Amino acid sequence: GAVVSQHPSWVICKSGTSVKIECRSLDFQATTMFWYRQFPKQSLMLMATSNEGSKATYEQGVEKDKFLINHASLTLSTLTVTSAHPEDSSFYICSARPSGQGIGNSPLHFGNGTRLTVT
Amino acid sequence: GESVGLHLPTLSVQEGDNSIINCAYSNSASDYFIWYKQESGKGPQFIIDIRSNMDKRQGQRVTVLLNKTVKHLSLQIAATQPGDSAVYFCAENTGYSTLTFGKGTMLLVSP
Repeated sequence: GAVVSQHPSWVICKSGTSVKIECRSLDFQATTMFWYRQFPKQSLMLMATSNEGSKATYEQGVEKDKFLINHASLTLSTLTVTSAHPEDSSFYICSARPSGQGIGNSPLHFGNGTRLTVT
Repeated sequence: GESVGLHLPTLSVQEGDNSIINCAYSNSASDYFIWYKQESGKGPQFIIDIRSNMDKRQGQRVTVLLNKTVKHLSLQIAATQPGDSAVYFCAENTGYSTLTFGKGTMLLVSP
C-alpha cells in the first residue's frame, strides 16, 4: 500500500519552455503532498508543500511563479516548471502521506522521481 | 544550488558483513526519524523509523539506534547483500510537518 506514482519519469525540454510533472497517490488520499529537488550526489531539498484546495507553501528561495503547484484533488498534485532553463535541470521527487496520518507517526512515501533535462 | 565537487561519504563492505551507517542531526526538538534507501534513478524507499521516546528499533535485518544526548542516529544492516548497495538518508521531523534530510551515505557492497 501507500504507492505514489510520478509522471513522466524523465523529460527533456528546450530552454524557455514549460514542463508539467504529475504526482498521484494511487491507493490513498493525500491532503498534503511535498515536492523535493535533488541535484547529483546531494540530498533532497524541500521545495514546497502542496495543499489540496489551497495555495502551496514554498520554501525560502524557491520562486513560486517559476514552480507552479496545483493540488486539485486528494490524489493529484502537479508541478509546472515554467520558462525552464538549464540550471533547472534536476531530479524532482514528490511525496505524500495518507490524510489523517501525522508526521510523528508515519513516514512519507515517495514517487520514483522525474529527471528533467533542459537544453 | 549544486556544489561542484561534492562527494557523498561512502561505506564499502563485503557481502555478508554487517554495515553501520551514521547520521548526526541538528535539531534537539526533532521527535521522529526515518531511514530511507535510494537506488540510482529512483525515489527514496522507506526502511525503518523511530520515535524520540525510543532508543532502539529493529526490523528485518535492520536496526536503528537513536542517541538523543549526542543527537546521533545509526542504521545497522546485518548480513549485507549486494542488493543493499544504495544511498542511505536519515530524515528528521523538525516540527513543521515536513522532513529534513541528511546528506546521505553511499553503501557499496562487494560480492
